[in-house]
Amino acid sequence: NAGVTQTPKFRVLKTGQSMTLLCAQDMNHEYMYWYRQDPGMGLRLIHYSVGEGTTAKGEVPDGYNVSRLKKQNFLLGLESAAPSQTSVYFCASSLHQGSYEQYFGPGTRLTVT
Amino acid sequence: GQQLNQSPQSMFIQEGEDVSMNCTSSSIFNTWLWYKQDPGEGPVLLIALYKAGELTSNGRLTAQFGITRKDSFLNISASIPSDVGIYFCAGSTSNTGKLIFGQGTTLQVKP
Repeated sequence: NAGVTQTPKFRVLKTGQSMTLLCAQDMNHEYMYWYRQDPGMGLRLIHYSVGEGTTAKGEVPDGYNVSRLKKQNFLLGLESAAPSQTSVYFCASSLHQGSYEQYFGPGTRLTVT
Repeated sequence: GQQLNQSPQSMFIQEGEDVSMNCTSSSIFNTWLWYKQDPGEGPVLLIALYKAGELTSNGRLTAQFGITRKDSFLNISASIPSDVGIYFCAGSTSNTGKLIFGQGTTLQVKP
């Protein structure tokens, strides 16, 4: 039982490049989340999903897109990376609507130059 | 948007000392959670609180859901070097499962 995994662990992009971050969970959780973490700002929600085939915007969704084609996977895409998207990205999952206990992956450190 | 104010921002203490940190909000929360993040890792859930006034322990950690539902407290007793990390409070005001996170308290423990 690996929990929540994220790939890649590190990535460097040039401005304007695109990439996809992959999150996978093996806990059969319904809800999945993408956060970004910047120094002194805690974790901010980018997008989330309440089930397979659904996505919704969080607090800071601009410049990102997501997809949840399979229950166990949640993809975060950057279509045209900007230096302001340099951050550490965390994926999390929770069992269902009534469960607030979110379980986090190890993070992806992204640098955009 | 809604914000959580977490304090202190950082603490530098001697091994064996007790630690207290808190989180406050201008809104009423129906759930409070406390997470710890080690360097280079994702946050790990420490304690979850679901009722106003609730006091819950996890080993040397004790957390309380404030009676006003606008605050929560985390205490660590007899700190040890492995307590080093960033502690985050998080809360929810709705039944959507979404959490709002505080800015974090960075704890350093001197052996």
